[in-house]
Amino acid sequence: GENVEQHPSTLSVQEGDSAVIKCTYSDSASNYFPWYKQELGKRPQLIIDIRSNVGEKKDQRIAVTLNKTAKHFSLHITETQPEDSAVYFCAAPNNNDMRFGAGTRLTVKP
Amino acid sequence: GAVVSQHPSWVICKSGTSVKIECRSLDFQATTMFWYRQFPKQSLMLMATSNEGSKATYEQGVEKDKFLINHASLTLSTLTVTSAHPEDSSFYICSGGSGRGRSSPLHFGNGTRLTVT
Repeated sequence: GENVEQHPSTLSVQEGDSAVIKCTYSDSASNYFPWYKQELGKRPQLIIDIRSNVGEKKDQRIAVTLNKTAKHFSLHITETQPEDSAVYFCAAPNNNDMRFGAGTRLTVKP
Repeated sequence: GAVVSQHPSWVICKSGTSVKIECRSLDFQATTMFWYRQFPKQSLMLMATSNEGSKATYEQGVEKDKFLINHASLTLSTLTVTSAHPEDSSFYICSGGSGRGRSSPLHFGNGTRLTVT
């Protein structure tokens, strides 16, 4: 089955700086890679996703890049703001379900 | 967007009792419902996958007789934690899929925080 590894586990940045979170996956057949943001005690919210037919996708301050050859994808947040502080999870398909990375706790210091 | 309604949002029960958690897909047909468990400061761990009208598929290490899943319709799936113990205290969250499998986003319920005393 699919194995997803996520790094770093914690990330602290100054407001306005960029943050990058990386994930690797094992199944070369995987073709869909979402990123979720989870605030304390709340459900994960989809913030961006990418399909394997493109290498990059942007949505305002958030971008995701995908390297299918190396089997890794990354979340990029630019001009970080305190409200970006949360736990971020990457995910990749495993048969008909999703497997999640271990999560990255992002703290944006004002 | 697609909405999954999950109830209750929190529950406190005594050890040995059973707790039922419901998830309803409000504006789409959830042919598949995934049940995840999340312990504090940890990731979402898949417990089981249920497809409407068939038996759930449980992940290794998850007791099917303890965590009963019913997916009787395209809009309702339930998870019953039977004879709950303190170690079952966790955040349980469902997620509905519309059947496209590997390439569609998951729609999460708000989660249920279970505390067993």
